[in-house]
Formats: sequence, C-alpha cells, structure tokens
Amino acid sequence: DVKVTQSSRYLVKRTGEKVFLECVQDMDHENMFWYRQDPGLGLRLIYFSYDVKMKEKGDIPEGYSVSREKKERFSLILESASTNQTSMYLCASSGLGQGLPYEQYFGPGTRLTVT
Amino acid sequence: QKEVEQDPGPLSVPEGAIVSLNCTYSNSAFQYFMWYRQYSRKGPELLMYTYSSGNKEDGRFTAQVDKSSKYISLFIRDSQPSDSATYLCAMSAQDTGRRALTFGSGTRLQVQP
Repeated sequence: DVKVTQSSRYLVKRTGEKVFLECVQDMDHENMFWYRQDPGLGLRLIYFSYDVKMKEKGDIPEGYSVSREKKERFSLILESASTNQTSMYLCASSGLGQGLPYEQYFGPGTRLTVT
Repeated sequence: QKEVEQDPGPLSVPEGAIVSLNCTYSNSAFQYFMWYRQYSRKGPELLMYTYSSGNKEDGRFTAQVDKSSKYISLFIRDSQPSDSATYLCAMSAQDTGRRALTFGSGTRLQVQP
C-alpha cells in the first residue's frame, strides 16, 4: 500500500515565522509534489521534484521554497509566513514503479493557519 | 481562463440517484484523465483513470472522455451517502516534462439518505 505521510495535520504559526512542512513517501517514487488547496481554487501546484536535489517551480512558488535531500522526503518551507499562506497543504508522490503512470498518491494534508 | 473548469456545486441528490459530474478543458495535449475523490479532512484518492478517449466502468462508477469536445464526465449509479465527498477531475499531457497534473477545482457532492 502506498503511503504518503505529512508531519503535522494542523499547524498554527505567527506572521513572519519560518515554517517547515515535511512529507515522506515509502514507495520509492521519483516524483513528489506540494500543492495548496483553497475553496473555489482547487489544488494549485507550488513546487515539484522529479529527483533528489532537483526541483521545479509550479504555478504559485512565490513565498515558498523546497528541499529534497533524500528520495523519500520532500520539504516545503515558508521563509516568512504570511496570513495569505493560510491554507491546506497537500503532498503527493508518483512514479513509474508502482501504480498507474501519473497516478499521484496524496498525504492527508496539513492545515496551516498563520495569525 | 482556467485550463480545467469544474462546477463547484454543491450538488445534492437523494440516495439511489444517478449523479453526473463534469469537467471541461482547453489543452488539447491532455491524454490522461483522472477522477479523484476527497473526503472531508482527507487527501484526494484516485477513483478512476482513463487514457485518451472512451468509457471506463468500475462498479457503480463510469468515466467518459470526449476529446473532440474536451469534456470528461463521471457517472455514479445508485448513489450512496458514503459517496458524499468532493470529486476532483485531473489531467495530464502525455509528453509533459513536468509529470504534474492539472486539477479542476472540485465538485462537492452530498447524497441525502
């Protein structure tokens, strides 16, 4: 069974804080993704990575950075959290080894509130 | 204009009804079409997957793709209260180097017992 885990289900941070969201997958997937989900806007891609130490910007990378030092782990970093980054953050992974091509497996999400 | 358009709902139906969920898209390069189901406070999970045009059936669920119209549908027969969730369409181009999916905004479905 594919498993994608995220470090926190709920997180409350103050404006200006540096925030780390961690994601770990156990299926040896090459690709990992960070999305944010907001009502009416659906899932929007922030960053993705198709290999260790590789990253590419998604549709809304501003205010975010990522790190992928190991294949199974993909971190999302909010350098200086702002209230407009209050959202649900979803991590996903995919790979050619297991599952269908392009099938993305999602973690349970982290609901981040920035006050 | 968004690449993928999906009516947000909510859609409320009685138990046992046939449900039709739809998405339209503008990128003719899309080849892979998916439907994800997302229960409240959970991550999305893959429900149906179709490559190119045609129909695919899995139990009470049928996915249809009409590439000429750039229109995809998900039908749910004999809907159950447990089908109450948000349904997201997603698609990808075969030759995309991004390996990422483009999602619709999701349709919230409520099946009333």
